[in-house]
Amino acid sequence: NAGVTQTPKFQVLKTGQSMTLQCAQDMNHEYMSWYRQDPGMGLRLIHYSVGAGITDQGEVPNGYNVSRSTTEDFPLRLLSAAPSQTSVYFCATHPTGQSYEQYFGPGTRLTVT
Amino acid sequence: QQQVKQSPQSLIVQKGGIPIINCAYENTAFDYFPWYQQFPGKGPALLIAIRPDVSEKKEGRFTISFNKSAKQFSLHIMDSQPGDSATYFCAADTGNQFYFGTGTSLTVIP
Repeated sequence: NAGVTQTPKFQVLKTGQSMTLQCAQDMNHEYMSWYRQDPGMGLRLIHYSVGAGITDQGEVPNGYNVSRSTTEDFPLRLLSAAPSQTSVYFCATHPTGQSYEQYFGPGTRLTVT
Repeated sequence: QQQVKQSPQSLIVQKGGIPIINCAYENTAFDYFPWYQQFPGKGPALLIAIRPDVSEKKEGRFTISFNKSAKQFSLHIMDSQPGDSATYFCAADTGNQFYFGTGTSLTVIP
């Protein structure tokens, strides 16, 4: 039981390049989300999904795309990387219902030069 | 605009002390208030959480105090230990979206 996994752990991109951050969970949770963490800013929600085929925007969605074709996977795509997207990215899941406890992945540290 | 305001930014206490971290919010739609603990290089992990119909919740050495009328909640860590040194985040949830505070870096000196 791996919980929430994220790949890669580290990535360096040049401005304008695209890439996909992977997130997978084996807890059968309906809700999945992506956050970015920047110094002094806390965690900010980028996109979230309440189930396969359903996604919605969070606080800071610009420059990012998501899709949810299965319960297990929720990839985050950067279409044209910018230095402002240098950050640590966390994927999180939680079961729907009363609990709301979120389980976070280990994070991906992204640097855009 | 920060939906959840957290203070202080950093905190240093002696072992055995009781650090207190405060958070405030405005949105009355929030119905779940968790605290997360994060160690360097790791993802946040849920520490304790409270719903607005309860004024206090204790789990081990961690206590949340919640003041619904003032729209404030705080985390108290009793008998703090060096292993509690970490960054702590408060958060608030509407059911679909979590909003996090900016974090408090806690250092417990042996």
